[in-house]
Amino acid sequence: EPEVTQTPSHQVTQMGQEVILRCVPISNHLYFYWYRQILGQKVEFLVSFYNNEISEKSEIFDDQFSVERPDGSNFTLKIRSTKLEDSAMYFCASGWTGVTDTQYFGPGTRLTVL
Amino acid sequence: AQSVTQLDSQVPVFEEAPVELRCNYSSSVSVYLFWYVQYPNQGLQLLLKYLSGSTLVKGINGFEAEFNKSQTSFHLRKPSVHISDTAEYFCAFLSLGGGADGLTFGKGTHLIIQP
Repeated sequence: EPEVTQTPSHQVTQMGQEVILRCVPISNHLYFYWYRQILGQKVEFLVSFYNNEISEKSEIFDDQFSVERPDGSNFTLKIRSTKLEDSAMYFCASGWTGVTDTQYFGPGTRLTVL
Repeated sequence: AQSVTQLDSQVPVFEEAPVELRCNYSSSVSVYLFWYVQYPNQGLQLLLKYLSGSTLVKGINGFEAEFNKSQTSFHLRKPSVHISDTAEYFCAFLSLGGGADGLTFGKGTHLIIQP
């Protein structure tokens, strides 16, 4: 069964450094999402992406964040200058259609900012 | 504010006993409702979803949930649990007409099955 994959599984970085989290969505899916979960808190929506542009973004997704689909298979989340509070589990998801369709989640990348 | 409340952070249940995981939501507009499960070291997997129609929704692995609009609830149930059901369960909703297609999640309930 096809699945969403994410790399790395764990990323450790210093405050102020840039990080890129990578995701390979399910082939033929058209909608892509990033969520994050700070330890002990809720899973929070960051951004959705469709047709090579951002569809929706939450208040969390400020200018420090960007997303890209560089080559038709990968979907990346970049954090330009990491802060301590960016430490979280980051989940990528993809779907065939938007809204009512199931969002298929990856296993997550745990980001630790020191 | 729109939110999902999962009242129980942890629910211990004996194997073969029934279980109910509670979920309440708050939204000013109509919603679609979802339950996701997360097994250790894996991504979130959809258990079931309510979009419209019958308020009793059946999902995978013998789970079902009932949408109650008056009580703004979407509780998850299973009549007889197995050890393999040990996992984290997340309730979520999607607001209709709000323009956002991101899911709003609850904090999750850790279901612990005891032999």
